[in-house]
Amino acid sequence: NAGVTQTPKFRVLKTGQSMTLLCAQDMNHEYMYWYRQDPGMGLRLIHYSVGEGTTAKGEVPDGYNVSRLKKQNFLLGLESAAPSQTSVYFCASSYKGAVYGYTFGSGTRLTVV
Amino acid sequence: GQQLNQSPQSMFIQEGEDVSMNCTSSSIFNTWLWYKQDPGEGPVLLIALYKAGELTSNGRLTAQFGITRKDSFLNISASIPSDVGIYFCAGLNYGGSQGNLIFGKGTKLSVKP
Repeated sequence: NAGVTQTPKFRVLKTGQSMTLLCAQDMNHEYMYWYRQDPGMGLRLIHYSVGEGTTAKGEVPDGYNVSRLKKQNFLLGLESAAPSQTSVYFCASSYKGAVYGYTFGSGTRLTVV
Repeated sequence: GQQLNQSPQSMFIQEGEDVSMNCTSSSIFNTWLWYKQDPGEGPVLLIALYKAGELTSNGRLTAQFGITRKDSFLNISASIPSDVGIYFCAGLNYGGSQGNLIFGKGTKLSVKP
């Protein structure tokens, strides 16, 4: 049982390049989330999904897009990367809602130069 | 929006010492969760609290749901080097606009052997 798997683990992008971060969960969770973690800022919610085919904006959605075409996968896209998007990105999932907490992936460290 | 104030921001302690950290909010929460993030990994759920006044233990860790429902506390007894990491509190208000977890900014714990 892998839980929440994020790929890639590390990536370096040039400003203006695009990329997609993949999150996959094998726990049959309904809800999935993308967070970014920056020093001193804690975890900030980018986008989330409450089910297949649905997405919603979180606290810091600008510059990111997401898709949830399959229940087990949640993709985070950067269309035109900027240095301000240098961060560690975490995907998380939960069965239904947050009351029992989230299961997090191990993160993707992204550097935009 | 809702915010959680987590303190202290960082702690440097000697192995064997006890640790206390807390999380406060101006809003009422119905659920409090405590996570630990090891270096280079995603946060892992330690303790979940669902009732005001509730005291729950997980090994050397003890967490309490404040009576006012606006705060929570985490204590670690007899710290060991593997306690190093960032501890996050998270709160959930069922009546919130999104019903997503609100995270504190974390307490970074360093343990000197």
